[in-house]
Amino acid sequence: EIQLVESGGGLVQPGGPLRLSCAASGFTFSNFWMTWVRQAPTKGLEWVANINQDGSEKYYVDSVKGRFIISRDNAKNLLYLQTNSLRPEDTAVYYCARGDWGGGYGASWGQGTLVTVSA
Amino acid sequence: EIVMTQSPATLSVSPGERVTLSCRASQSVSSKLAWYQQKPGQAPRLLFYGASTRVTGIPARFSGSGSGTEFTLTISSLQSEDFAVYYCQQYNNWPPWTFGQGTKVEIK
Repeated sequence: EIQLVESGGGLVQPGGPLRLSCAASGFTFSNFWMTWVRQAPTKGLEWVANINQDGSEKYYVDSVKGRFIISRDNAKNLLYLQTNSLRPEDTAVYYCARGDWGGGYGASWGQGTLVTVSA
Repeated sequence: EIVMTQSPATLSVSPGERVTLSCRASQSVSSKLAWYQQKPGQAPRLLFYGASTRVTGIPARFSGSGSGTEFTLTISSLQSEDFAVYYCQQYNNWPPWTFGQGTKVEIK
């Protein structure tokens, strides 16, 4: 069974950092693109970032470029999202997903971790 | 960036009714379209990819169709467990992934 389990969310002050993690199991992690998608309270889904199988390709939504860094550790089956210079508008549930079809869509999703940016 | 527009925003439906949800792309995405279902407090769940390929385990009452710029998700006979928000997402031209704003299917 494919499992994705996010962790690392919490309450952080504006301007602060937070590192999110996603532990993957039930599939060969190193064979797949991985993705972060977020959802602000009562809002729709917003793609955040993608990373390819070996970490050599990374893509970000414009609003987080220069502030967020996606990375992965294939030896540990872990996906990360380092979030820096957080803003109130970054408040959201952050989901990790396995990106099938070359990272094109989210085939399996974790349950999400809530990041709240507030003073 | 390709803009995805879903209609209607909300659909009030009685159990057993047929439901049709629409998704329109601002330019052609070929058949590179996915549909997701999201229930309150849960993560999105993939229903279809390639516009019409149903994911294993998704009931046959769900069907997807369309290509180019116009897509449809149909539920032939709505069950109680189908009340949720449905999102479309294009992956023909990414980054970025772009999602529609969602259609909420609620009980009438």
